[in-house]
Amino acid sequence: GAGVSQSPRYKVAKRGQDVALRCDPISGHVSLFWYQQALGQGPEFLTYFQNEAQLDKSGLPSDRFFAERPEGSVSTLKIQRTQQEDSAVYLCASSHLSRETQYFGPGTRLLVL
Amino acid sequence: AQSVTQLGSHVSVSEGALVLLRCNYSSSVPPYLFWYVQYPNQGLQLLLKYTTGATLVKGINGFEAEFKKSETSFHLTKPSAHMSDAAEYFCAVIGTNFGNEKLTFGTGTRLTIIP
Repeated sequence: GAGVSQSPRYKVAKRGQDVALRCDPISGHVSLFWYQQALGQGPEFLTYFQNEAQLDKSGLPSDRFFAERPEGSVSTLKIQRTQQEDSAVYLCASSHLSRETQYFGPGTRLLVL
Repeated sequence: AQSVTQLGSHVSVSEGALVLLRCNYSSSVPPYLFWYVQYPNQGLQLLLKYTTGATLVKGINGFEAEFKKSETSFHLTKPSAHMSDAAEYFCAVIGTNFGNEKLTFGTGTRLTIIP
């Protein structure tokens, strides 16, 4: 079946703009994760959902970052008042159950000017 | 809390030579261990994983890794490198304690294959 998809693949934003990044997980996957990958670094955890419940948001760097998954499927990561340090690749992953293999999408590359 | 250390941010090997990418972890409990590969402008693809059982794990594309609890290591190997193996490789862990679902990644190793 289809893998994890993310849109847009590339986003350029002016500093101060709000952005919304979308993730479509693999159908039927209960768990959904967001990671941030800075240039030359490994991905870093942002937040985790089990169905529609956000169980861990300890990695969100500030209150400008907000994620939701209202119907337990598609998820949106929103960044308000973007800053240059928000420039990174944002990866979404899903897994069938907790602690099973996470399958990653291609990522959204965000550039804040 | 767990952490992952990948020794060598860049590794170069000749085509046909042994590939060895090193990974050491720190965790209060034995974790689940993963190796992912990332090709340019793509997401991460799972190569292999260790959860329980046999400590030598075989993955896709001829890669394998061995979990050594005494050394807290999970090094990735491949007997003979191919040009198509050039990519970024990430070692990652998930703690087995309840409620810990996130992957913690190392900083990655960029593998270059010399023709």
